[in-house]
Amino acid sequence: GENVEQHPSTLSVQEGDSAVIKCTYSDSASNYFPWYKQELGKGPQLIIDIRSNVGEKKDQRIAVTLNKTAKHFSLHITETQPEDSAVYFCAAPRGNTGTASKLTFGTGTRLQVTL
Amino acid sequence: DVKVTQSSRYLVKRTGEKVFLECVQDMDHENMFWYRQDPGLGLRLIYFSYDVKMKEKGDIPEGYSVSREKKERFSLILESASTNQTSMYLCASSRLAPETQYFGPGTRLLVL
Repeated sequence: GENVEQHPSTLSVQEGDSAVIKCTYSDSASNYFPWYKQELGKGPQLIIDIRSNVGEKKDQRIAVTLNKTAKHFSLHITETQPEDSAVYFCAAPRGNTGTASKLTFGTGTRLQVTL
Repeated sequence: DVKVTQSSRYLVKRTGEKVFLECVQDMDHENMFWYRQDPGLGLRLIYFSYDVKMKEKGDIPEGYSVSREKKERFSLILESASTNQTSMYLCASSRLAPETQYFGPGTRLLVL
């Protein structure tokens, strides 16, 4: 099955700086890589995703890059703001069978943006 | 907007009790999921359902069962609650793969 590793587990940046979170995956057939943000007291919410036919995707201050050869993908947040403080999870699909709807999640990164 | 609701935000139960966690989604999604979230372990899949009355075990199904009698509702059952089942439980739903999973707000369960 898919194995997803996420680093770092905690990240502290000053407001205005950039933050980068990295994930590696094991299944070379994986073709969909979402990132979720979980704010305190809430369930995770999708913030951006990338499919394997592109190498980068941007949405305002967030971007995701994908390196299929190396089997890793990264979340980049620029000009960080206090409201970016949250736990971030990467994920990758599990296999390519009839139950391919399942995702394997990374262990999460707690991002703290300090003033 | 997709909405996934969970029956309780906080729950306190005693060891040995039978516990029901309910999840309802309003977007006619085929797939529904139950996860457990513990610090440092991320989100671990307990059970998954891809259709009414259909279910698959996830990574940590021991001590849990599920029920999906209607498309919009997915229940997680702890047959005999134990202290090591104290955790945050998250329900999610999605369309067919590979698609965004929409999460509920979670139920924080404490088993005493």
